[in-house]
Amino acid sequence: ETGVTQTPRHLVMGMTNKKSLKCEQHLGHNAMYWYKQSAKKPLELMFVYNFKEQTENNSVPSRFSPECPNSSHLFLHLHTLQPEDSALYLCASSQDLGTSNEQYFGPGTRLTVT
Amino acid sequence: GQNIDQPTEMTATEGAIVQINCTYQTSGFNGLFWYQQHAGEAPTFLSYNVLDGLEEKGRFSSFLSRSKGYSYLLLKELQMKDSASYLCAVMDSNYQLIWGAGTKLIIKP
Repeated sequence: ETGVTQTPRHLVMGMTNKKSLKCEQHLGHNAMYWYKQSAKKPLELMFVYNFKEQTENNSVPSRFSPECPNSSHLFLHLHTLQPEDSALYLCASSQDLGTSNEQYFGPGTRLTVT
Repeated sequence: GQNIDQPTEMTATEGAIVQINCTYQTSGFNGLFWYQQHAGEAPTFLSYNVLDGLEEKGRFSSFLSRSKGYSYLLLKELQMKDSASYLCAVMDSNYQLIWGAGTKLIIKP
């Protein structure tokens, strides 16, 4: 039990669809993250939120749109994706930003874009 | 650029010891993390090193040399359940984690 949940666990969508990924953390953490994990590649940090405010956007295409309504919930809105966007999308949280703050990960959403 | 290098795959025998190496070049250093990720599951935290030396935690130990840009994760008394990917990550000067691609560890009976 990691305390970070993600839904859905699997998602298949066409390039013209719009869908949203949801993440919820039950740990009372202040920072939340979206990562993309592709096979045999390093985790790619997409977005960082601290106290609901976005602090990082690592050159992510605008077809990915994050939303953080409160410190416990994080969404990733998807529209007009490309097949190369197929990957595992991981949400994580940490107590705060900064040193020694280990990140707790959710189980991920396996996304397939057809 | 920033870079984390670790072997793609390693194989070891149940009951043995294995060392997984990680070398890094990053803009600044605010600590090094090791995570374990079983297939189809979330990464889970194993260790954090910010000072040089060895940190021991049960069967797992992690070593850091900041001057060499080098760390290793040592797993003793290997068990079949240790079959997983092991991810090395460095926190840079902007407090962002830079991740390696992971080392897939295969344990054979």
